[in-house]
Amino acid sequence: DQQVKQNSPSLSVQEGRISILNCDYTNSMFDYFLWYKKYPAEGPTFLISISSIKDKNEDGRFTVFLNKSAKHLSLHIVPSQPGDSAVYFCAASSNDYKLSFGAGTTVTVRA
Amino acid sequence: DTGVSQNPRHKITKRGQNVTFRCDPISEHNRLYWYRQTLGQGPEFLTYFQNEAQLEKSRLLSDRFSAERPKGSFSTLEIQRTEQGDSAMYLCASSRGTSGYQETQYFGPGTRLLVL
Repeated sequence: DQQVKQNSPSLSVQEGRISILNCDYTNSMFDYFLWYKKYPAEGPTFLISISSIKDKNEDGRFTVFLNKSAKHLSLHIVPSQPGDSAVYFCAASSNDYKLSFGAGTTVTVRA
Repeated sequence: DTGVSQNPRHKITKRGQNVTFRCDPISEHNRLYWYRQTLGQGPEFLTYFQNEAQLEKSRLLSDRFSAERPKGSFSTLEIQRTEQGDSAMYLCASSRGTSGYQETQYFGPGTRLLVL
């Protein structure tokens, strides 16, 4: 059962514009959420996280928003840069240490 | 930090053979995790260690799979009698293990396994 869903398999955005990636989850026990970025032939690289006690966390160009009532989170990248072209994974955990991942969204930043 | 390292990076084997992968976590990280990723999917949890103790195993980890972390440092994942369905990217991650479960897991580059 897929408890974390990324319904958009791909996203194309122009350089300098905002990229918005969405993620939905079904398990109400999830209370810690992370975004990872992955280049081909490399492991996932941590980007940003958010605990359920917050609804927003910001780190440079990356902001994550959490809407607990809707079981939805999003990642905003502003401004988008060519180096941001990668696969982005949303992940969630409860109190059992294991991460549940979505299937990923491939972001392409056009020059 | 030198990051999480995994060896080998690629492995091609014939069905029925045994394979072993190694993961070296970030120094002083107490928790070590194994995940498997297949094409078009996100990583799926397999198992994790707190120091040398294996604390949880996914139902994905059949009897042919075994993982060890004998001294609480590096870990090995062995697959016996490999099957074509075992073809995947095997990812290792580590975390400090001092902040409860809400801490970042850092991933290695993965070992890509192809079973012919």
